[in-house]
Amino acid sequence: QKEVEQDPGPLSVPEGAIVSLNCTYSNSAFQYFMWYRQYSRKGPELLMYTYSSGNKEDGRFTAQVDKSSKYISLFIRDSQPSDSATYLCAMVVPGNQFYFGTGTSLTVIP
Amino acid sequence: EPEVTQTPSHQVTQMGQEVILRCVPISNHLYFYWYRQILGQKVEFLVSFYNNEISEKSEIFDDQFSVERPDGSNFTLKIRSTKLEDSAMYFCASKGSGGFGNEQFFGPGTRLTVL
Repeated sequence: QKEVEQDPGPLSVPEGAIVSLNCTYSNSAFQYFMWYRQYSRKGPELLMYTYSSGNKEDGRFTAQVDKSSKYISLFIRDSQPSDSATYLCAMVVPGNQFYFGTGTSLTVIP
Repeated sequence: EPEVTQTPSHQVTQMGQEVILRCVPISNHLYFYWYRQILGQKVEFLVSFYNNEISEKSEIFDDQFSVERPDGSNFTLKIRSTKLEDSAMYFCASKGSGGFGNEQFFGPGTRLTVL
C-alpha cells in the first residue's frame, strides 16, 4: 500500500467554482500535513500546512485533516485562472522524510 | 526574498556518463534535501543532509548517487554512471531550524535527460 494516495486528475473547473482536492494516507505516525502548489517547470511551493487534525483557513484556501479517516483536503473558494497548477499533498513524521502524493493537475477556465 | 537556486536548469547527458547537479540553498539553512520527479509521477525523496553527513536516504539513493557540500554555499548531487531511468526533474530543498520547522523550500529543479 502506498504511503500517500492522491487522484492525479486532471481537474477542470470554471472560474469562481469551489475546488476540492484530497489525499489519503496509511501511516498514522504522520503529524504534519502540507499542500504544495507547483507551476509548470517550477519547484513545489508551500501553500499551507496543518499540524495534526483540524481545519486551517488562509484567504480562499482551507485545509482540513481528518486523522481518524487518514484523509486530508484542500478547498479553494472562488477559484481563479491563476490557481491553475498541480497541487501536491505532502506528509511527514517530524524529523523524517516527506512523502508526497502524485499531485492533482487543476485548470481553472476563465 | 531568499530562494533556493539550482544549476543547470536542463542537463542532457549520454548513458553511462557522470553528472553533477548543483544547488545553492538558502544561506542560513541547515538541512538540505534532494528529490526527484519522473515525468507524470510523484515527487520522491532521495536524501537528506545535515551537519555534513547524510541523515536519511531512500532506496532510490544507491551507490551511483552521492551528495556533497563542498563549500559553505553549494550542495551537489552526483550521479556516477547515468541510466536512462535517471531522466527526471531533480529538486533541491533546504530547511532552517526556526518557524514551521518542517517547511522545506524548493528550488526550481534541474531537468536531467539521459540519452
